[in-house]
Amino acid sequence: QLQLQESGPGLVKPSETLSLTCTVSGGSISSSSYYWGWIRQPPGKGLDWIGNIYYRGNTYYKPSLKSRVTISVDTSKNQFSLRLSSVTAADTAVYYCARENGDYASDFWGQGALVTVSS
Amino acid sequence: QSALTQPPSASGSPGQSVTISCTGTSSDVGRYKYVSWYQQLPGKAPKLVIYEVTQRPSGVPDRFSGSKSGNTASLTVSGLQAEDEADYYCSSYAGNNNLLFGGGTKLTVL
Repeated sequence: QLQLQESGPGLVKPSETLSLTCTVSGGSISSSSYYWGWIRQPPGKGLDWIGNIYYRGNTYYKPSLKSRVTISVDTSKNQFSLRLSSVTAADTAVYYCARENGDYASDFWGQGALVTVSS
Repeated sequence: QSALTQPPSASGSPGQSVTISCTGTSSDVGRYKYVSWYQQLPGKAPKLVIYEVTQRPSGVPDRFSGSKSGNTASLTVSGLQAEDEADYYCSSYAGNNNLLFGGGTKLTVL
């Protein structure tokens, strides 16, 4: 069974860079059928798509976040990562990694990682 | 692009049917067949229940069904059960490799 697990610091200072890694197990991140994405959810609010990556490195980002977001992939480790720069309190959220199928639907999700932006 | 519009709440009694709407525009819901629905239980990650407007992933009960008319997609839960009480989110492909989510609907089983 495919599993995804987010990891990274739970606390980031304002203006710094948020970094998270998603480790995929039970399947290969190099499958040609899927993209690998990041979605976040501020406390008590709805879901917000951040972007995704193909195993070959093709990336797509939410337009309003594009200037601050970088998603990368390491196929040798079966991992993909998120970097979000110049964070503010508004970036406080649970960050999920997920597998996106060919129909723009996320069919496997990590358990989520809470990242708080605070000094 | 704005988020898709969902009613904040919906409710129904056990055994009844409830329909949740998701309204977008002709640039997203109205243009593409890539509408998905997710169920999120408290403190848990979302779970895909419908993709490509009407398709159910393996293991999702056939009590869950999806449809679309114009710029509005809908999720219907038939034969409501207590375990269906959750938040439900829609999403739609919006072109240019962009994805939109709805604001979410809290479904209460009375």
